[in-house]
Amino acid sequence: EDQVTQSPEALRLQEGESSSLNCSYTVSGLRGLFWYRQDPGKGPEFLFTLYSAGEEKEKERLKATLTKKESFLHITAPKPEDSATYLCAVTGSNYKLTFGKGTLLTVNP
Amino acid sequence: EPEVTQTPSHQVTQMGQEVILRCVPISNHLYFYWYRQILGQKVEFLVSFYNNEISEKSEIFDDQFSVERPDGSNFTLKIRSTKLEDSAMYFCASSEMGADGYTFGSGTRLTVV
Repeated sequence: EDQVTQSPEALRLQEGESSSLNCSYTVSGLRGLFWYRQDPGKGPEFLFTLYSAGEEKEKERLKATLTKKESFLHITAPKPEDSATYLCAVTGSNYKLTFGKGTLLTVNP
Repeated sequence: EPEVTQTPSHQVTQMGQEVILRCVPISNHLYFYWYRQILGQKVEFLVSFYNNEISEKSEIFDDQFSVERPDGSNFTLKIRSTKLEDSAMYFCASSEMGADGYTFGSGTRLTVV
């Protein structure tokens, strides 16, 4: 059974204070690892897909990296508008997404 | 930017009643999904639908649940006899090619009383 564990559960940063979120996964035959952002009461918003170890993707202040066991979402110089829950998910031998519980990020001005 | 549209945004129903949640996926997408998120918990897979049939379903998706694509644009989730534990956010999603490029709707908050 596919499993995703995210840490920390919650992270509070000051504006401009860079940090990283972790996603550890166990999956039979990784098809893809996904990062989503979720705002309260909204659906997950797609950020990145990573397919193989060593791959990196960037978007504005966010950078996602992938190894054979985990992925990191690096946030550089965050702003208050980056506050959200960040979800990690994987797909294995099928097309369904298995999600982690998420990391609730709060960026204080 | 194309989006997945879900209606209603919030539905309150009495236990034992039937509910239908509606979704309009992105027009050129071929794969359709329902997920749910109980308050404070993970987003969970319910069912995937491709080529007018269910391609996979989870243990949660029992005989009380059904999905349908009644026309070329709508995708519905029906719960025949709602239970208190069905209270959750239900998300519809669609993708063009398998798991790539999943787009989620904003969700329907179902409250069973």
